Amino acid sequence: AQTVTQSQPEMSVQEAETVTLSCTYDTSESDYYLFWYKQPPSRQMILVIRQEAYKQQNATENRFSVNFQKAAKSFSLKISDSQLGDAAMYFCAYRISQGGSEKLVFGKGTKLTVNP
Amino acid sequence: DGGITQSPKYLFRKEGQNVTLSCEQNLNHDAMYWYRQDPGQGLRLIYYSQIVNDFQKGDIAEGYSVSREKKESFPLTVTSAQKNPTAFYLCASSMEADTQYFGPGTRLTVL
Repeated sequence: AQTVTQSQPEMSVQEAETVTLSCTYDTSESDYYLFWYKQPPSRQMILVIRQEAYKQQNATENRFSVNFQKAAKSFSLKISDSQLGDAAMYFCAYRISQGGSEKLVFGKGTKLTVNP
Repeated sequence: DGGITQSPKYLFRKEGQNVTLSCEQNLNHDAMYWYRQDPGQGLRLIYYSQIVNDFQKGDIAEGYSVSREKKESFPLTVTSAQKNPTAFYLCASSMEADTQYFGPGTRLTVL
């Protein structure tokens, strides 16, 4: 079974500090995509960052970066210079091909609190 | 503006009633998806469609139905056969084999 595990149900960080959210996944495929989505209180899912498994270089988007360890099947998200607006649920997701279509498998999420 | 819209934002259903959730996109995306989110859970796939007039069941399709008569629209009907429909429903779309983008969601509550 394809699974995504986020082992930290909740995390907190001080404003301007750095925090890392963990994610591990299970797959037998060699080519796939990984994503981090943010869900603020409005509940809309917003793409934060994505990583192609064939790329060794870790993806970066402004203050957000990932640490992708393919052999360990690990995909952690680092948020630098945390801001109050970063407070949200963060979901790790893995995209698989099934029946000729693409679907996302989500972890259960990590609730991030940013303290002023 | 390009984007995905869902309506209504809040929906209330009585026991035994069918209700339909709307999802529209003007991104010219081929694929569209419906997910369900329960408290403390990630998203679970209900149905997806890669092209017009074609759709497939996801992991939790029982009690739901969809149609894809137009590229821009992918409505979801929650039927009376769905015994626990109270949840947050998210629609998404993507170009083939690309990143999925989400609408703002519909909160469905059974009275």
